[in-house]
This record gives sequence, C-alpha cells and structure tokens, in this order.
Amino acid sequence: GENVEQHPSTLSVQEGDSAVIKCTYSDSASNYFPWYKQELGKGPQLIIDIRSNVGEKKDQRIAVTLNKTAKHFSLHITETQPEDSAVYFCAASLNSGGYQKVTFGTGTKLQVIP
Amino acid sequence: DAGVIQSPRHEVTEMGQEVTLRCKPISGHNSLFWYRQTMMRGLELLIYFNNNVPIDDSGMPEDRFSAKMPNASFSTLKIQPSEPRDSAVYFCASSWFERGSYEQYFGPGTRLTVT
Repeated sequence: GENVEQHPSTLSVQEGDSAVIKCTYSDSASNYFPWYKQELGKGPQLIIDIRSNVGEKKDQRIAVTLNKTAKHFSLHITETQPEDSAVYFCAASLNSGGYQKVTFGTGTKLQVIP
Repeated sequence: DAGVIQSPRHEVTEMGQEVTLRCKPISGHNSLFWYRQTMMRGLELLIYFNNNVPIDDSGMPEDRFSAKMPNASFSTLKIQPSEPRDSAVYFCASSWFERGSYEQYFGPGTRLTVT
C-alpha cells in the first residue's frame, strides 16, 4: 500500500519567517495530495490540495509543490503568524476500489514564536 | 451547516466494556470515514462507507471492532470488548466525491481512554 513520510516532525520558526514541510510518497498511482491543519482539540481541516497534473498551487501565504518524478511534495508557509501554530499533515490519495483512499503522513508540529 | 458531529467527545471506560462512538455526517455527503489517531501510528483509516455501504474495512484492527451506517445521517463504531490499547482519538469524516471534490470534512473527534 501507499506509504507517506513527512519531515520534520517538529518545526519552530520566528513570526514572519517561512516554514517548509516536506513529504514523500511511494505509490506512483497517487493522484491527489491534500494538506490538513489540526489545531489542538479539533479534527484536521483541509488547507490546500494539489492534483497530480499540477506542479504548484498557491493560496495567499500557503503554497504546495509537487514533483511526481521524485515523488516529493512540499508545503510552504510564508510570513508565518502565531495562528499558524498547529500540527500539519500531508497525505497522498489514490483511487482504490472506486474511491479515493487517503494515506496520511505522521504530522509536523509547527510552532510560530511571536 | 453544523459540520460533522461526533459523540461523545470524551469516553473513559474499563477494559472489557463495550464502547459505542457515534457520528452524524454533513447532510448531503455520501461518503463516511472512521479514523483512529494515536501518537505511535498517526491517523489510520479504519473503515469507509459509500452510500451507507461498507466499501473498505481493511483498516479495522480486529473482530472486536465493528461499524454500521443504518442511514445517510448516522454511523456508529463499536468496540467490544475494549482494551487499553484501543485508547486513541477516533475521528469521523464525510465527503461528497461525485462532485469532483476529494476534501474530507472531519468531526471534532472522540477521545477514548480504556483503563
């Protein structure tokens, strides 16, 4: 099955700096790569996603890049703010038996220091 | 919309007891997922329902776990008998894939502690 690795497991940045989280996946059939943000005591919430036919996508301060050849994808957060502090999960999804099965990475705890 | 609703939010039980977790998906969604989150194993898919039918239950750890979806607005995850290693946060998520969106909407989770 699909295996998703995520690094780093923890990340501390000063407010205003950029944060980068990197993931790799194993199954070349994966075609959808969402990123979820989980705040303390809450369920994960989608913040951005990218499909395999796109190399980069940006939404305000958040951007994702995908390198299908290397099976790498990354999340970039610019001008970080204290409210960006949370656990971030990458995921890879592929069609399995007629539905999009999602495999999550192990998470990155981001701390933005004011 | 109220989002995905889960109950209870916290459950503390003794080993051997039956535990039932409940989920109400977002109205109109046709796909429902149960996940388990632990520090050691992260977020794991337990079971997936489409149009109330279980499609993929390969993640259900063992026969002690069972899930049902009697209608489009309700699902349960039952553990009988419960064991300390079942302690985790259990999430329910729903989605509407046919619209071309793969986004899953997660509930707030149920924190289960088995002593």
